[in-house]
Amino acid sequence: EVQLVQSGPEVKKPGESLNISCKGSGYRFTDYWIAWVRQMPGQGLEWMGIIFPGDSDTTYSPSFQGLVTISADKSISTAYLQWSSLKASDTAVYYCAKKRTIGATRAFDIWGQGTMVTVSS
Amino acid sequence: EIVLTQSPGTLSLSPGERATLSCRASQSVSSSYLAWYQQKPGQAPRLLIYGASSRATGIPDRFSGSGSGTDFTLTISRLEPEDFAVYYCQQYGTSPPETFGGGTKVEIK
Repeated sequence: EVQLVQSGPEVKKPGESLNISCKGSGYRFTDYWIAWVRQMPGQGLEWMGIIFPGDSDTTYSPSFQGLVTISADKSISTAYLQWSSLKASDTAVYYCAKKRTIGATRAFDIWGQGTMVTVSS
Repeated sequence: EIVLTQSPGTLSLSPGERATLSCRASQSVSSSYLAWYQQKPGQAPRLLIYGASSRATGIPDRFSGSGSGTDFTLTISRLEPEDFAVYYCQQYGTSPPETFGGGTKVEIK
């Protein structure tokens, strides 16, 4: 079964760093682009950026460039989303999602279960 | 950046009725790289339609997509109880960023 399993919920204080993960299984992890998508409370979906685990080629949305870092460790089939200094406005559910077939211009067919990140003093 | 505008914001219908959801793009979506997703409360989105009109694996044929250029439609021919949810369109032909519409909530009347 193809699946993406994300790390558990996080509660952090403003200014703290955070690293959440997304582990792929059931498919060749290095061949499919993986994106991160934010959903703020009660809001819609926002595309943050995308990575090709095979060579770590990464593209960010202008809205998130410089605010987060996307990376991947292909040896353990895991993608990461990192913050160096969280803000309260980073409170959201974060999803990872895999492209449906090989290639960048594809829809997302498999989604992680989401990681709830709460940032509060 | 391509902006996707979904309408209506909320659609109130009864089971068995037909639902028509609209997604309009601020510029042409290349090669009909337009997808539709369904999201239920507390769940991740689920892919319904890709390439504007192709159903994803396991999606019932009451769901259909159409359109090209800047105007796209998701139709649910006869609403089942499990279809009441929020629906998002997404363009993935022009990046960065790929963009999502604001969503349409289909609620029980």
